[in-house]
Amino acid sequence: TQLLEQSPQFLSIQEGENLTVYCNSSSVFSSLQWYRQEPGEGPVLLVTVVTGGEVKKLKRLTFQFGDARKDSSLHITAAQPGDTGLYLCAGTGFQKLVFGTGTRLLVSP
Amino acid sequence: NAGVTQTPKFQVLKTGQSMTLQCAQDMNHNSMYWYRQDPGMGLRLIYYSASEGTTDKGEVPNGYNVSRLNKREFSLRLESAAPSQTSVYFCASSRGAGGLYEQYFGPGTRLTVT
Repeated sequence: TQLLEQSPQFLSIQEGENLTVYCNSSSVFSSLQWYRQEPGEGPVLLVTVVTGGEVKKLKRLTFQFGDARKDSSLHITAAQPGDTGLYLCAGTGFQKLVFGTGTRLLVSP
Repeated sequence: NAGVTQTPKFQVLKTGQSMTLQCAQDMNHNSMYWYRQDPGMGLRLIYYSASEGTTDKGEVPNGYNVSRLNKREFSLRLESAAPSQTSVYFCASSRGAGGLYEQYFGPGTRLTVT
């Protein structure tokens, strides 16, 4: 079974701070996705990274796929209360995704 | 355009009871999935259907059965509910199977088994 560990599990910060969330595995993935889930809703895709070393930016969010395609990170600059939610990474398996354990982020005004 | 719909939104069952969770998508997607979400464990795949007419086990299939009724609908059945099946269940769909396709999720069904 491929496992994806995310750290930290919980993060509580003030508006305006920067943060990084990590997603690590001992397995190689051909691609990796990041989703955000708000309370009471299903996850929504933020980004897909497919190439080792790839960096993608989505406004204040920066996603990086590790060179060996075993890990990824999500960096948020100047966090806002609207960034609050559960962040999930998901690696590609055969015909399906393997989801990480999740990082719950709370951004306070 | 409703996307992925799930019924019911909430359900309470007694141990041993059975029920079927319904899922439908209106995006003409080929692949559909059932996940369960428990605190601290992210999303775990129960069953999936890569295309109409096929179903396969995921990570945690024991105690569940599925039916891909047609291209739009994918149901999940609990034959004899157990307290360990208390969870939030999500249905998802995607245009194709695999990591290059975005999965679209329903709002979830919150199931409690007493």
